[in-house]
Parts: sequence; C-alpha cells; structure tokens
Amino acid sequence: GENVEQHPSTLSVQEGDSAVIKCTYSDSASNYFPWYKQELGKRPQLIIDIRSNVGEKKDQRIAVTLNKTAKHFSLHITETQPEDSAVYFCAAIMNTGNQFYFGTGTSLTVIP
Amino acid sequence: GAGVSQTPSNKVTEKGKYVELRCDPISGHTALYWYRQSLGQGPEFLIYFQGTGAADDSGLPNDRFFAVRPEGSVSTLKIQRTERGDSAMYLCASSLTWARTDTQYFGPGTRLTVL
Repeated sequence: GENVEQHPSTLSVQEGDSAVIKCTYSDSASNYFPWYKQELGKRPQLIIDIRSNVGEKKDQRIAVTLNKTAKHFSLHITETQPEDSAVYFCAAIMNTGNQFYFGTGTSLTVIP
Repeated sequence: GAGVSQTPSNKVTEKGKYVELRCDPISGHTALYWYRQSLGQGPEFLIYFQGTGAADDSGLPNDRFFAVRPEGSVSTLKIQRTERGDSAMYLCASSLTWARTDTQYFGPGTRLTVL
C-alpha cells in the first residue's frame, strides 16, 4: 500500500507570511494528490488537488507543487490570514484503486 | 443543495454493545466512502461503495465491522461487540462518480465513544 508522511505537524506563522506544508509518498503508482482543510469541529474540505501529469497548480493564494521523481508534494499558502488557521491534510491515491491515503495533518496557526 | 449528512453526531456506548452509524450522501452521488479518524491523525480508509456494492472493504479492521448500502444511497456502518479502541470520529464521504479523481465531499462525522 501507500505511505504518506506529512511535515511539519504544527506550524505558526505571522499574518501575511507564507506557509509551506510538505508531504512525501512511497508508491510511484500514486497519481492524484488532494489537499483538505479541516477547521476545528468541522468536516474536511478539498482546497486544491494536483494530478501526476502536472508539476504545479495555483488557485489564488494557494498553490501545490509535485515532484514525481522525489515523490513529494507541497502546499503553499501565501499572504496568510487568520481564517487560514486549521488542520491541513495531504492525501495520495494510487492508480490501481480508490483508497485515499492521508497524511497525519499539519495544524496551522496564523497569528494576527 | 444539501451536503453529506451523518447521524448521530455523537454516540456513546458501552463496551460489547452494537452500534449503527448512518450516512446520507449527496443526492445522485454514486460513490460512498467510510473513513475513521483518530485524534491527531488523518482519516483512515475503511470501505468504499460503487452503487450498492462494496468495491473495496480492505480497510475494515476486522469482522466486527460491516457496512451496507442496499439501495445505492444511504449507507450504514455497523460495529458489533464494540471495543474501547473503536472510539474515533467516523467520517463518510461521497463523490459524483467512482472516478478516482472525483472530489470527495465529507460529512460532519459521527464521534463514537466506547466506555
């Protein structure tokens, strides 16, 4: 199966600074990588995703990069705002099934 | 439209009891997923349905866990002889089709506590 590692587990940044969360995966057959945001007591929500045929994807202040050779992908949040504070999960899915393998999460705190 | 809903939102039970957790997917979504999330961890896959059939149940931890989706819509996760280690948040998600890259929409979860 797949093994997804996520770092850091906690991250604090000043409002307006950038935040970067990194994930690595073990199985080269993985080809889809979504990122979910989970606010306290709420359900996970998809914020951005990337497929293995693309190296980078951007949506306003959020971007994701993928390095297939190194088997790692990263979430970048620029101009952070207090409402960005949440737990962020990366995930990977192999091209042979529908199981999402989630990372252990990063608790992001944006300090006003 | 309405999102994925789950009932109950909280369930407290005693060790050894039987529990049922319900998931109502978004109307028209053919794929349905169950996950378990322990505190401080990411969701862990349990089982996945395409329509009425379980396409992949490899994540179910043991035979005390079972899930059904008899009419291809609502799903019930059933846990027999509950153990304290079953305590967790149980999340359901649905997607429009069973394409692997379809967005999964999560429900609010059922927090199960086994005393």
